[in-house]
Amino acid sequence: EPEVTQTPSHQVTQMGQEVILRCVPISNHLYFYWYRQILGQKVEFLVSFYNNEISEKSEIFDDQFSVERPDGSNFTLKIRSTKLEDSAMYFCASSPDLSGYTFGSGTRLTVV
Amino acid sequence: AQKVTQAQTEISVVEKEDVTLDCVYETRDTTYYLFWYKQPPSGELVFLIRRNSFDEQNEISGRYSWNFQKSTSSFNFTITASQVVDSAVYFCASDWSGNTGKLIFGQGTTLQVKP
Repeated sequence: EPEVTQTPSHQVTQMGQEVILRCVPISNHLYFYWYRQILGQKVEFLVSFYNNEISEKSEIFDDQFSVERPDGSNFTLKIRSTKLEDSAMYFCASSPDLSGYTFGSGTRLTVV
Repeated sequence: AQKVTQAQTEISVVEKEDVTLDCVYETRDTTYYLFWYKQPPSGELVFLIRRNSFDEQNEISGRYSWNFQKSTSSFNFTITASQVVDSAVYFCASDWSGNTGKLIFGQGTTLQVKP
């Protein structure tokens, strides 16, 4: 069964450093998303991406965040200058037609 | 405000018991979609079901069933004859204003099924 692949599964970074989280969505999907889950809390929407541009973003997704689909297969989330409070599980998701959303296994980001 | 509430933080049952996880939502929209996801200890989010606001028919899938009632703004999830492998965090979520992909999640309910 096709799946959304996220790498790395766990990343540790120092505060202030840039980090890039990578995702490979399902190949024929058109809609892409990033969500985050702070440990023990609910899953929160960050951003949606369609037709090579952001279609919606949340208040969490400030100027420190950016997304890119550089080569038609990868979908990346960049955090420019990480803060301690960015520590969370980050989930990528994709959808072919908004009828359902497949999530990746997540990247656990730890900012120290 | 649009909101999903899962009032049960943790539930513990013994294997083979039936268990119902509650989900209540708030919205003024007439078109919306409701979801349930399972998050096992390994951390991934596993899709269980999606319902649209115009379809109140209850659904059964094996030991799982869902009861959607617009009159009470609820979309409850029942596991019949629970098993240890059902132990996980379960999230109810909604996609307001039709299909946007912006899912709003509830706080989750941790289900522990003891042998």
